[in-house]
Amino acid sequence: KNQVEQSPQSLIILEGKNCTLQCNYTVSPFSNLRWYKQDTGRGPVSLTIMTFSENTKSNGRYTATLDADTKQSSLHITASQLSDSASYICVVSETGSYQLTFGKGTKLSVIP
Amino acid sequence: KAGVTQTPRYLIKTRGQQVTLSCSPISGHRSVSWYQQTPGQGLQFLFEYFSETQRNKGNFPGRFSGRQFSNSRSEMNVSTLELGDSALYLCASSWRQGDMNTEAFFGQGTRLTVV
Repeated sequence: KNQVEQSPQSLIILEGKNCTLQCNYTVSPFSNLRWYKQDTGRGPVSLTIMTFSENTKSNGRYTATLDADTKQSSLHITASQLSDSASYICVVSETGSYQLTFGKGTKLSVIP
Repeated sequence: KAGVTQTPRYLIKTRGQQVTLSCSPISGHRSVSWYQQTPGQGLQFLFEYFSETQRNKGNFPGRFSGRQFSNSRSEMNVSTLELGDSALYLCASSWRQGDMNTEAFFGQGTRLTVV
């Protein structure tokens, strides 16, 4: 069964600090991996999408890495801001299917 | 370019009733997928429509159904509502089904509360 596991479940950091969120998956055959940011009560917004051949992708202060061999991805947030407080969801898609497998997310709280 | 629009934003229904939610995809997008999001289960795939045809279906009971119109707008219906159906229902649109690298854009969601 395809699974996506995210850690930690929740995280509290001080404004200005960096943090790294983890995503492990068992989805096979792998097509791509996406990170979404979801503010409370809103729809998810895409941060990055990476295919098998991509190791790193950046979007401003967000940098995602992918190790397709170990089936692991991370999302690094640099110089966090209060507006980064949200849930971050890792999503993996399987080749040949439109269905996406979602992680349960990491809830990040950035405090002043 | 307008984003994905879901209506209504909030709904309160009683057990046993039925409900219809609406999703208007981004102009030009022909694929619409529906998801249920609850605190315990996270996001779960309901079904996907492309060119008015259901292409994929998640593991939900038959009380959950949907359809897509010729203008790509989609509706989702839940009959005989249960308390456990309380959730945020999200739809996502993309340009074409089957292209896994196509970006999916989510709407703001409809918050359904069943009492």
